Amino acid sequence: GAVVSQHPSRVICKSGTSVKIECRSLDFQATTMFWYRQFPKQSLMLMATSNEGSKATYEQGVEKDKFLINHASLTLSTLTVTSAHPEDSSFYICSVWGENSYEQYFGPGTRLTVT
Amino acid sequence: GQNIDQPTEMTATEGAIVQINCTYQTSGFNGLFWYQQHAGEAPTFLSYNVLDGLEEKGRFSSFLSRSKGYSYLLLKELQMKDSASYLCAVRDITGGYNKLIFGAGTRLAVHP
Repeated sequence: GAVVSQHPSRVICKSGTSVKIECRSLDFQATTMFWYRQFPKQSLMLMATSNEGSKATYEQGVEKDKFLINHASLTLSTLTVTSAHPEDSSFYICSVWGENSYEQYFGPGTRLTVT
Repeated sequence: GQNIDQPTEMTATEGAIVQINCTYQTSGFNGLFWYQQHAGEAPTFLSYNVLDGLEEKGRFSSFLSRSKGYSYLLLKELQMKDSASYLCAVRDITGGYNKLIFGAGTRLAVHP
């Protein structure tokens, strides 16, 4: 069964609104979770590392005030895209390491379309 | 910083063998992964190498040379369903925690 879930799977929003995406680790506790973004025909770009109980670590070029990350529990991280614009339309995927950090498990992804 | 290179596209014939190469440069190397991704879906794990050599898993094999910063994924007895993107990813431990950095991916098209 699924190890990581994401909700929603698809969302369409109007420009200027905010959208929250949830990522849940179903099988084990995750002190660290990762958020990726993938544009069409491109690879996964790591946006940020979500740390339970502390601030997220953002990759270079990712605006922390635009992509708000909250990791309030060991099984849930949320990504909020604030004041979304059409260029934020993308496939957002979260992931967690397995318990031995041998394999990274990915959520099913969230397709965001900003109109 | 990190740099991961792999070919953008490849084509192959059903039943054949194809090798997808990946070269990398990273300061905190801690393993190399290969993932398969079909359009619109999340990546699925194929293989993991941390030591030099070949890891075989059914129709898929992966090779790593740490000294050369080089890996390849070998797919045998190709099937139409193997048409997908193949992502090379390096686990980097810079900063004290493991994170995966992906290459741009190789789109493989398998033809009859």
